[in-house]
Amino acid sequence: EADIYQTPRYLVIGTGKKITLECSQTMGHDKMYWYQQDPGMELHLIHYSYGVNSTEKGDLSSESTVSRIRTEHFPLTLESARPSHTSQYLCASSEYISTGVIETQYFGPGTRLLVL
Amino acid sequence: SQQGEEDPQALSIQEGENATMNCSYKTSINNLQWYRQNSGRGLVHLILIRSNEREKHSGRLRVTLDTSKKSSSLLITASRAADTASYFCATDGISGGGADGLTFGKGTHLIIQP
Repeated sequence: EADIYQTPRYLVIGTGKKITLECSQTMGHDKMYWYQQDPGMELHLIHYSYGVNSTEKGDLSSESTVSRIRTEHFPLTLESARPSHTSQYLCASSEYISTGVIETQYFGPGTRLLVL
Repeated sequence: SQQGEEDPQALSIQEGENATMNCSYKTSINNLQWYRQNSGRGLVHLILIRSNEREKHSGRLRVTLDTSKKSSSLLITASRAADTASYFCATDGISGGGADGLTFGKGTHLIIQP
């Protein structure tokens, strides 16, 4: 069982609300990631971080933002939720080896977001 | 950017049979990994194979990698009902200024009939 946690597990919210999805890991990993996944589809990388104060955009453009103030914590924020943001958001972490080399990623259970 | 593509998209077999899934990708990699996802949950890492390896085993899992064909296969032997899940291959490496994360395929949805 991976030591990576996400809250909330499910969130139903109205359009225009600000939301923050929490992700934390206790493995001391420097590298953390956020992926977005629609039902039955592949995962798309939306954000990642190499460590404290590092945030990078992924391959899929996203209106969400992330921060990395502490090694163990990598929250994702949507300033104004819209129905198009409805999806599952998965957080992951891994050891940092070098740029372009990714070892095993450990995933949290995900947050299912529904924006009405 | 590189992309993993699995086939078949869906596979239904009887318990006890072997299940084979294939994955293709487009650019250079360091590692290729396979993950399992049970319905509505996070992904679980199954196995990692490095670009200089051709075959790897872990329990009932066997993974092969052919870098000349840019393809990999995952074999699950003696399948069990608990193996019912979606299986994804994922590749690393950065190409053309892409992001430094794993690139996932669309997945194979495996159903084991009891």
